[in-house]
Amino acid sequence: DTAVSQTPKYLVTQMGNDKSIKCEQNLGHDTMYWYKQDSKKFLKIMFSYNNKELIINETVPNRFSPKSPDKAHLNLHINSLELGDSAVYFCASSQEGRVADTQYFGPGTRLTVL
Amino acid sequence: AQSVTQLGSHVSVSEGALVLLRCNYSSSVPPYLFWYVQYPNQGLQLLLKYTSAATLVKGINGFEAEFKKSETSFHLTKPSAHMSDAAEYFCALMNTGFQKLVFGTGTRLLVSP
Repeated sequence: DTAVSQTPKYLVTQMGNDKSIKCEQNLGHDTMYWYKQDSKKFLKIMFSYNNKELIINETVPNRFSPKSPDKAHLNLHINSLELGDSAVYFCASSQEGRVADTQYFGPGTRLTVL
Repeated sequence: AQSVTQLGSHVSVSEGALVLLRCNYSSSVPPYLFWYVQYPNQGLQLLLKYTSAATLVKGINGFEAEFKKSETSFHLTKPSAHMSDAAEYFCALMNTGFQKLVFGTGTRLLVSP
């Protein structure tokens, strides 16, 4: 069983479109995260949710909106896609979001904006 | 502000040789430190983490890292490289009171026969 899963794995779309990426974890964790990995492989956190509540919101354009319907799911919706949004987006989860809790990563979603 | 610096975007070793991947950090308070590995087209997997217990940390797949406060370093080593170790390696830190990982820019390990 996949611990942290993301769909889709690949997403190719046109500028200006709206798209969503879904994430699910079956580890029973309370905290979930979204990270962005750019073309130079640099990873940076975008958001973190604990029990459906937003706890970290980095300086991300408000075109990005995370939604957590329950603590096992954290989806990422992106409005008005731009070329610079092309990246690999990783979802992750951890037990309670305590400092030094291990974060478990999903396989990533490669988003290409044309 | 905290940051992580990984020296060398690429490191090449021969199979059986010592692996040394360098990581230095900057933090106003003692951080927790992590090494993650990313195989091609996969997510990140935790290799090991330092949480202020023993300064020498042993991880999976024969890797270990030593926390040196005086040098602000957390270098990753493995005595003998295998072909299967070829991957991207990321050093990261987390500060007490915060839950976000701050990553270095990664080091690609290449292993030749």
